[in-house]
Amino acid sequence: NAGVTQTPKFQVLKTGQSMTLQCAQDMNHNSMYWYRQDPGMGLRLIYYSASEGTTDKGEVPNGYNVSRLNKREFSLRLESAAPSQTSVYFCASSEGSREDTQYFGPGTRLTVL
Amino acid sequence: QKEVEQDPGPLSVPEGAIVSLNCTYSNSAFQYFMWYRQYSRKGPELLMYTYSSGNKEDGRFTAQVDKSSKYISLFIRDSQPSDSATYLCARNQFYFGTGTSLTVIP
Repeated sequence: NAGVTQTPKFQVLKTGQSMTLQCAQDMNHNSMYWYRQDPGMGLRLIYYSASEGTTDKGEVPNGYNVSRLNKREFSLRLESAAPSQTSVYFCASSEGSREDTQYFGPGTRLTVL
Repeated sequence: QKEVEQDPGPLSVPEGAIVSLNCTYSNSAFQYFMWYRQYSRKGPELLMYTYSSGNKEDGRFTAQVDKSSKYISLFIRDSQPSDSATYLCARNQFYFGTGTSLTVIP
């Protein structure tokens, strides 16, 4: 099992460009999450999907959109990238109960110039 | 105020030392707490989780919650160089501390 995979691993964008970060899990998990990690700020939840067909905002959703394409895949889109969105982005998945373990992907390092 | 506050360190200890990592939290509603370990340029991985009070032990790791002072701790006994990583505490699945960077020197 690959667990949680993310593509791309690295990306450099110019201000105003758009891109989609891809995430897939092969653990048959119901819930999926997108976080960003910044120095001094820790991990912050952007959006999550408790189950296929649902999405909800997290702590820092502005400037992002998400799509739960199917049970396996959860994508994060930046429509018009800004330098403030320079960060490391992590996707995670879990079975779906309140107290369950989240499994994280390896991350995408995004720089917006 | 952040949901979970954590001293970022960095913390540097000699091999074999006992390490204490700490977080404080502000919300008193039902909760459970988790400790994640994150190696450089990797995603976090769950180490342990525990409910609102008491201790939980797993090998060299002990997680402790002091509900009265809203303090959570992770103790690492006989620390090893392979324990060098960033340790993140989390509350109720979504609320993470900023992480404490630990280096264990051989």
